[in-house]
Amino acid sequence: DTGVSQDPRHKITKRGQNVTFRCDPISEHNRLYWYRQTLGQGPEFLTYFQNEAQLEKSRLLSDRFSAERPKGSFSTLEIQRTEQGDSAMYLCASSQPRTSGLYNEQFFGPGTRLTVL
Amino acid sequence: EDKVVQSPLSLVVHEGDTVTLNCSYEVTNFRSLLWYKQEKKAPTFLFMLTSSGIEKKSGRLSSILDKKELFSILNITATQTGDSAVYLCAVENYGQNFVFGPGTRLSVLP
Repeated sequence: DTGVSQDPRHKITKRGQNVTFRCDPISEHNRLYWYRQTLGQGPEFLTYFQNEAQLEKSRLLSDRFSAERPKGSFSTLEIQRTEQGDSAMYLCASSQPRTSGLYNEQFFGPGTRLTVL
Repeated sequence: EDKVVQSPLSLVVHEGDTVTLNCSYEVTNFRSLLWYKQEKKAPTFLFMLTSSGIEKKSGRLSSILDKKELFSILNITATQTGDSAVYLCAVENYGQNFVFGPGTRLSVLP
């Protein structure tokens, strides 16, 4: 399967614990995005990388959220000191600029569903 | 702040009906508008629109963008039960941020 993969698919944790999610993008895609989606809402943009550079992180929900993409391939999203309000689906997407270099479309992974008790 | 509004939020039709889903947006430095279909899993890409007045088609689905009036529509003709899903509209700005709307939940009854 050459699509975007995410691990784990489900995570249940207790309030106050740290969690880390992994995303493996489509191999030739240099852009990687993280989103959060709650029930009945569209995905909410969190951050994105081009190769290993994190080009936008102002939308991360708080300083408890951080993301890395150290070698420009897979990425991790960490949430420290989880709260019940962090319960959501966390989606990863990847994209590759078109030959024009201007426009791209995103391909989404299956998501990690986080439940904070 | 960039915003995407979709209407209706939910819609119930019968097989064979034609539906039109609406997406309006406010975004600084518009780059593109995208439509996705989301069933019980991650969104799957349908269309990307960058220019006004050019219709994109894929089978029974089609979409068009009006950059002057800041909206797009997604049409589905001869609906089937397999079209039941949430249809998401997203806009991209030149900061390469994507803003998604809340989605339209379409239910197609047999």
